[in-house]
Amino acid sequence: NAGVTQTPKFQVLKTGQSMTLQCAQDMNHEYMSWYRQDPGMGLRLIHYSVGAGITDQGEVPNGYNVSRSTTEDFPLRLLSAAPSQTSVYFCASSYSRQGIYGYTFGSGTRLTVV
Amino acid sequence: AQSVTQLDSQVPVFEEAPVELRCNYSSSVSVYLFWYVQYPNQGLQLLLKYLSGSTLVESINGFEAEFNKSQTSFHLRKPSVHISDTAEYFCAVSDTPNTGNQFYFGTGTSLTVIP
Repeated sequence: NAGVTQTPKFQVLKTGQSMTLQCAQDMNHEYMSWYRQDPGMGLRLIHYSVGAGITDQGEVPNGYNVSRSTTEDFPLRLLSAAPSQTSVYFCASSYSRQGIYGYTFGSGTRLTVV
Repeated sequence: AQSVTQLDSQVPVFEEAPVELRCNYSSSVSVYLFWYVQYPNQGLQLLLKYLSGSTLVESINGFEAEFNKSQTSFHLRKPSVHISDTAEYFCAVSDTPNTGNQFYFGTGTSLTVIP
């Protein structure tokens, strides 16, 4: 089925560890983005990409890196995990940033940093 | 920059009762408006959208929303809710190409339908 695939679904990290959250889409969407969802704060944009080789920072980029080497993949890297990064992470893609055809979301990665 | 306000963080409602989830945005310039729904332990799904034309838009499962430019609002309504409507609902606003192409989510409203 066409869509956005996120892995892993769950992850527990120790403070200071690094890891990569994977995101892949098969809809040939140019725009991809990463959000974190925290209780009472809605979704906050971490990083986004408008096409292969082009990335930019969102609202809360500190502690995260991204790259976009292909249209399909947009991994999110946590450089040195901190308890404040405990959250649910969503990858979303769309034909454009405006999302007039709708954003397609992955099912999320629930990350706990201890 | 836009801001999107969903005043009600939680809305409990009895089954078969009507519901309104409120959404206001800050700027009256050209915008696109959306409602997304998130069922438990899932990602968000597009529920309905307003791009242009008729100010009243409907979803396939009975929700509707009305674009009110003067009030800068896009409230979501359903005349009779079902248990299966229990979910988190997010209002979202996108600037048009003429106004910057930014996309903003509200903080969400948790709808709980009580049997």
